[in-house]
Amino acid sequence: DTGVSQNPRHKITKRGQNVTFRCDPISEHNRLYWYRQTLGQGPEFLTYFQNEAQLEKSRLLSDRFSAERPKGSFSTLEIQRTEQGDSAMYLCASSPLPTGPNTYGYTFGSGTRLTVV
Amino acid sequence: DAKTTQPPSMDCAEGRAANLPCNHSTISGNEYVYWYRQIHSQGPQYIIHGLKNNETNEMASLIITEDRKSSTLILPHATLRDTAVYYCIVRGAGGTSYGKLTFGQGTILTVHP
Repeated sequence: DTGVSQNPRHKITKRGQNVTFRCDPISEHNRLYWYRQTLGQGPEFLTYFQNEAQLEKSRLLSDRFSAERPKGSFSTLEIQRTEQGDSAMYLCASSPLPTGPNTYGYTFGSGTRLTVV
Repeated sequence: DAKTTQPPSMDCAEGRAANLPCNHSTISGNEYVYWYRQIHSQGPQYIIHGLKNNETNEMASLIITEDRKSSTLILPHATLRDTAVYYCIVRGAGGTSYGKLTFGQGTILTVHP
């Protein structure tokens, strides 16, 4: 499998519960990105990693959100004390280092759809 | 990142060319223009990118104006499966933002029979 894999595909949780999503990027890709998408909107950047280092976090990412990429391979995104406003599609993408004109774009996974009830 | 402006929606007849415009008047000299599309309930899919020359691949063509302030994505023979949201994005070129993609709301392209 040469694509980006995300699990689970769907998650329904009660408000106040913690949830964790997993992303397995393309193996040779150094960069891994997390995005969130709500209905009718484009994907919104949350954070990204270069290997195991988390290089940037969006100001929109509250303290309840944490992401890790412990060995520079797969990544997890955890949301603590979920709220109804967290309901969205969470997308993961990976890419090679953007080193020049022949660097292609991201490869996205199919996302994890979170519903907080 | 340079801001992009796209029409919210467009229609196209099946078999005809779909021409999707994008304005990026504040683009800087080393920023690339990327196009992605997103079919319902799937992650965005890379289509094509370019700097200043026109580009073509098996999916589409990208025409960038000489002043680089606008571009057009061309799907030469649109099919029903091309119905999707199309995003025009200028890729970040500096510091930790290098390579980060910032999505707008895109253009909803509807291809009809």
